[in-house]
Amino acid sequence: AQSVTQLGSHVSVSEGALVLLRCNYSSSVPPYLFWYVQYPNQGLQLLLKYTSAATLVKGINGFEAEFKKSETSFHLTKPSAHMSDAAEYFCAVTYTGKLIFGQGTTLQVKP
Amino acid sequence: EAGVTQFPSHSVIEKGQTVTLRCDPISGHDNLYWYRRVMGKEIKFLLHFVKESKQDESGMPNNRFLAERTGGTYSTLKVQPAELEDSGVYFCASSQAWTRSVTGELFFGEGSRLTVL
Repeated sequence: AQSVTQLGSHVSVSEGALVLLRCNYSSSVPPYLFWYVQYPNQGLQLLLKYTSAATLVKGINGFEAEFKKSETSFHLTKPSAHMSDAAEYFCAVTYTGKLIFGQGTTLQVKP
Repeated sequence: EAGVTQFPSHSVIEKGQTVTLRCDPISGHDNLYWYRRVMGKEIKFLLHFVKESKQDESGMPNNRFLAERTGGTYSTLKVQPAELEDSGVYFCASSQAWTRSVTGELFFGEGSRLTVL
């Protein structure tokens, strides 16, 4: 069975600081992994995805994530946070098209 | 091009009443998904349509929930009778092909927030 765990339901960083949102997965087969973002009053938007090509994946708005099979992790990072990055972030896994989501992490960016 | 649209954006009903949520996918998208997020929990899969056929409804909580997609266009999700634990945000998503769903090319609507009192 597949599952996703996001460490920390709330993360707060200062503007300009490093963003690190953690995601660990469990899957019996090679997974496809995703990060989605939900800005206030908007739908979920795909931020980036890992589909067994390069292990370091670059997404929109300067975000990137690294697939580490040995650690079963897919952490999301951004070198320098911007106020507009404040949102809720979801890690998800699938190999069937049915997404399994983590609990979500709300990112707060302080001025 | 219009995205995935959901209606209503917010519905407040009494326990025992009926509510119908609607989802209009992106034109031409054969695959339509319903997901739900109960307060404080993760987003969970409810069901998957391919055109008008239910491909997978393994996530539907119980028989109080009925989803339809007549004609393979828009979809409705009816809850009858609603219970307190049905409160949450119901998301709809669509994709052009199943293979694109697998690689994450799903387009989500803004969600319909349901509050059952």
